[in-house]
Amino acid sequence: GAVVSQHPSRVICKSGTSVKIECRSLDFQATTMFWYRQFPKQSLMLMATSNEGSKATYEQGVEKDKFLINHASLTLSTLTVTSANPEDSSFYICSATRQQEQFFGPGTRLTVL
Amino acid sequence: AQSVTQPDIHITVSEGASLELRCNYSYGATPYLFWYVQSPGQGLQLLLKYFSGDTLVQGIKGFEAEFKRSQSSFNLRKPSVHWSDAAEYFCAVAPNRDDKIIFGKGTRLHILP
Repeated sequence: GAVVSQHPSRVICKSGTSVKIECRSLDFQATTMFWYRQFPKQSLMLMATSNEGSKATYEQGVEKDKFLINHASLTLSTLTVTSANPEDSSFYICSATRQQEQFFGPGTRLTVL
Repeated sequence: AQSVTQPDIHITVSEGASLELRCNYSYGATPYLFWYVQSPGQGLQLLLKYFSGDTLVQGIKGFEAEFKRSQSSFNLRKPSVHWSDAAEYFCAVAPNRDDKIIFGKGTRLHILP
């Protein structure tokens, strides 16, 4: 089956710093990737749709200047959380589309001190 | 707008007992429907999906789900649960096979020994 990886799996940072999370499709090319966030004991909320070679599409209420998404290649999308604050602490999950099905990464646990 | 409702936040069953997790969706046309499982500290795993055809769908780990258009439901069932089935279960919907997925709030399954 298709494999999606995320790096890092866990990250702790100080308030005000920026953190980059990578999402890679390891054995296939993905023109579309999705970024979700999941607060503790809650559901996954879609943040944005990442399209290779074009600007990401953000869901309502998601600040595009705070959550920068870059999809520079067919196997890599990055999410950068800028000026992180404790409210950004969450579990970030990406997914990649292959042959009309989505495959999810293992997630990245972000803790902002 | 699409939405998914999982009316049960927590469900507790005894090991060996049968299980049914409820899911209702709201969508104008027939959506693509999914059930995912998330174990503590792990990523999402697809249990099964319904795109078209037979309304009774078989999945992995002995799970099945039945699509009922008249009730806008897609309930997940398992005839006999195992302790390893304890996890969070998410019902999800998408308008197309490769489109963004909308998740329900999840049902946490507890298994009594």
